[in-house]
Amino acid sequence: SAVISQKPSRDICQRGTSLTIQCQVDSQVTMMFWYRQQPGQSLTLIATANQGSEATYESGFVIDKFPISRPNLTFSTLTVSNMSPEDSSIYLCSVALDKYSPLHFGNGTRLTVT
Amino acid sequence: ELKVEQNPLFLSMQEGKNYTIYCNYSTTSDRLYWYRQDPGKSLESLFVLLSNGAVKQEGRLMASLDTKARLSTLHITAAVHDLSATYFCAVDQISNTGNQFYFGTGTSLTVIP
Repeated sequence: SAVISQKPSRDICQRGTSLTIQCQVDSQVTMMFWYRQQPGQSLTLIATANQGSEATYESGFVIDKFPISRPNLTFSTLTVSNMSPEDSSIYLCSVALDKYSPLHFGNGTRLTVT
Repeated sequence: ELKVEQNPLFLSMQEGKNYTIYCNYSTTSDRLYWYRQDPGKSLESLFVLLSNGAVKQEGRLMASLDTKARLSTLHITAAVHDLSATYFCAVDQISNTGNQFYFGTGTSLTVIP
């Protein structure tokens, strides 16, 4: 398994500001993903964070709004830019250790935008 | 776009009863995963089903996969209060950039003493 540390665990931010969420994994992983989970809802894939190249974004998510960095195989950041109340959600970092293994999740970042 | 649907969305059941949660997905995949999420917590992996006909059991939970029907089931036997949680199924697709996992709508289970 993998131990995933996500920071911050929660934050309250003002409209128009940006927040960067960090995800640190205790081992090298190829596949790293960022998800969003709104209260009482399912998980929506934001993007796949690729090491050494640009992230691959899902429909409805764009790099200008959710820039992602993946400088090495153990670390990634997700920035939520120019926030609005609609961005209030839980953001989850996850990794897959190999092609057939399940996702392992960080504890999430609970973001509230006022 | 891959769609993953679960049925029911909400389930309230008495202790000791049996029930099944269904997971349907819209496109071909040979791999399906079940997760559990407790309130305010992250997701915990329960089962990994990697082929048609796969069946996995852990305690009072049993998961199965029918890839031809694009259907997975999570069967609960003699429910206990500790099983109260939200259960998600997820399907992965392989693309040029690797695996991408898509989650079902979730089933919120409440087991009543």
